[in-house]
Amino acid sequence: EIVLTQSPATLSLSPGERATLSCRASQNIRSHLAWYQQKPGQVPRLLIYDASNRATGIPPRFSGSGSGTDFTLTISRLEPEDFAVYYCQQRSKWPPLTFGGGTNVEIK
Amino acid sequence: QVYLVESGGGVVQPKTSLRLSCAASGFTFSSYAMHWVRQAPGKGLQWVTFTTYDGNKTYYADSVKGRFTISRDNSKNTLYLQMNSLRADDTAVYYCARGDLRYFYYMDVWGRGTTVTVSS
Repeated sequence: EIVLTQSPATLSLSPGERATLSCRASQNIRSHLAWYQQKPGQVPRLLIYDASNRATGIPPRFSGSGSGTDFTLTISRLEPEDFAVYYCQQRSKWPPLTFGGGTNVEIK
Repeated sequence: QVYLVESGGGVVQPKTSLRLSCAASGFTFSSYAMHWVRQAPGKGLQWVTFTTYDGNKTYYADSVKGRFTISRDNSKNTLYLQMNSLRADDTAVYYCARGDLRYFYYMDVWGRGTTVTVSS
């Protein structure tokens, strides 16, 4: 099973700042990684698929990069609605599909 | 509008069974693969199971294999999760999620979830 490790667990930033979230895979997963956003009390939303492709309706301030074992989600300028928990998910070797433990982006 | 609405959750005792349903609307259900994903209280997301668009292939997480069964009725636009031999660590919100049409291993639409609590 591929283990995804996200860091940091919590990121404290102010609106307008840049957020950089990391996801590291236990094995090479090429570019087979997605990112999801989950706001409090809401369901997850697909942001990025295959490492760098924005899903439908996702604003350009969200970008993904990386391949192999190291991946990054960048939010260029945090909007108030971006404070949420972010999960990465791999699809390279499945089943099982696996998620990372999440990064909580909170208001500083 | 695309909707997924789960139902069937509740409080049950260990070793009992429960069947969840997920009613789909606003899209051609029979064209899409589907997943169940769960989230234990205060925890992250855990993929549970998957079915192809026609139900011919299914996959499971090891933690539920042999106890849970995913199925679908495309004539009723409904996805199911039969859960047997429930354990306390199955306690979670269960989401049904649609697999993206092209990248079916990613989930592009999620229901609001139904809560399953396993407790004696």
